[in-house]
Amino acid sequence: NAGVTQTPKFQVLKTGQSMTLQCAQDMNHNSMYWYRQDPGMGLRLIYYSASEGTTDKGEVPNGYNVSRLNKREFSLRLESAAPSQTSVYFCASSQKGGGSPLHFGNGTRLTVT
Amino acid sequence: DAKTTQPPSMDCAEGRAANLPCNHSTISGNEYVYWYRQIHSQGPQYIIHGLKNNETNEMASLIITEDRKSSTLILPHATLRDTAVYYCIVRSLGGGNEKLTFGTGTRLTIIP
Repeated sequence: NAGVTQTPKFQVLKTGQSMTLQCAQDMNHNSMYWYRQDPGMGLRLIYYSASEGTTDKGEVPNGYNVSRLNKREFSLRLESAAPSQTSVYFCASSQKGGGSPLHFGNGTRLTVT
Repeated sequence: DAKTTQPPSMDCAEGRAANLPCNHSTISGNEYVYWYRQIHSQGPQYIIHGLKNNETNEMASLIITEDRKSSTLILPHATLRDTAVYYCIVRSLGGGNEKLTFGTGTRLTIIP
């Protein structure tokens, strides 16, 4: 089992460019999440998907879009990258409900110049 | 969602028990307490969770006060590999609101 896989691991973009961060899980989890982490700060929720076909905004959704492609995959898109979006992005998945821990990927380190 | 409060940093001597506190005074009856840790810039790692009773697993013990307004994560014999940022969060039983926020956590440093 790979768990939660994120691609790419590293990315450098110029301001205004677009890109999609990919996330896939092989644990048959219902819920998936995208977080960002900036230096010295905790994780902030961007978007989440409680189940296939549904998505909802988190704490910091502006500048991002998401797609829950199927049960396994949850992608995060930056339409027009800005330097403020330089961050480490983590994808996570879990079964729905309080008794189920989140499993995290190893992150995508994005720099926008 | 209930908010959590943790001290920003703590030190612990290697081999001693590390006790990390968390305050969650607004927790509701259907919310679990979860602990995660993050080593360097890796993805957060699940440690333990509980609802009302104390819990223990191979990594740690979780002590939840009777009124559930605070909890303590105990690493019984801390090693240098336990140096990390530790996050305490709450999560609802039904999973209806999944806007899970992590806060800034406690930076635990294990001292040789």
